[in-house]
Amino acid sequence: QKEVEQNSGPLSVPEGAIASLNCTYSDRVSQSFFWYRQYSGKSPELIMSIYSNGDKEDGRFTAQLNKASQYVSLLIRDSQPSDSATYLCAVNARGSGNTGKLIFGQGTTLQVKP
Amino acid sequence: DVKVTQSSRYLVKRTGEKVFLECVQDMDHENMFWYRQDPGLGLRLIYFSYDVKMKEKGDIPEGYSVSREKKERFSLILESASTNQTSMYLCASSSSGGRLGQETQYFGPGTRLLVL
Repeated sequence: QKEVEQNSGPLSVPEGAIASLNCTYSDRVSQSFFWYRQYSGKSPELIMSIYSNGDKEDGRFTAQLNKASQYVSLLIRDSQPSDSATYLCAVNARGSGNTGKLIFGQGTTLQVKP
Repeated sequence: DVKVTQSSRYLVKRTGEKVFLECVQDMDHENMFWYRQDPGLGLRLIYFSYDVKMKEKGDIPEGYSVSREKKERFSLILESASTNQTSMYLCASSSSGGRLGQETQYFGPGTRLLVL
């Protein structure tokens, strides 16, 4: 079992719809969860981080964390074509201590169609 | 704003050459990372460093070495480049301290390396 799993997609949604991106992780002691967006040919950029169970909202983005189910998701409301990208889920690694090591999922490609 | 820079955006090298990729961050971060990213394989950690002169192997260290002589600079070295090292190389940095959120990694723009 991979440590961080994402559906590679592509996930296709119409403009204006809600895009739902999902991520599961295997290590129950993980405490920090991140969503990165990566446009084709570019480097990943941080969108959201979440540490507590529940929802965290930032503009059109909402991260949801359920530690009991070992599940983290990203919702994008009012999806725009400019949201078309690969979204990477990352989780802090077991025993990472102060090294800051993260485990990344393989990413979900989102396509928002006008 | 955190700034992570990489010495080259594109690089073309010959098989057998020694290749140096440089990464510099300006946020006084303790941790620095080198990844490679290939289609279908995601981000794979090559090496990381949590302090000056300290380094640890990641998931795919074979064929690579690193150097961290100064806190702001982390170099990736391909001792003898091979065609299977053609890839996108990404550098990242993060703070330490153990507080939630400090593991946030900030990425440089990447170096696309082609080995012929």
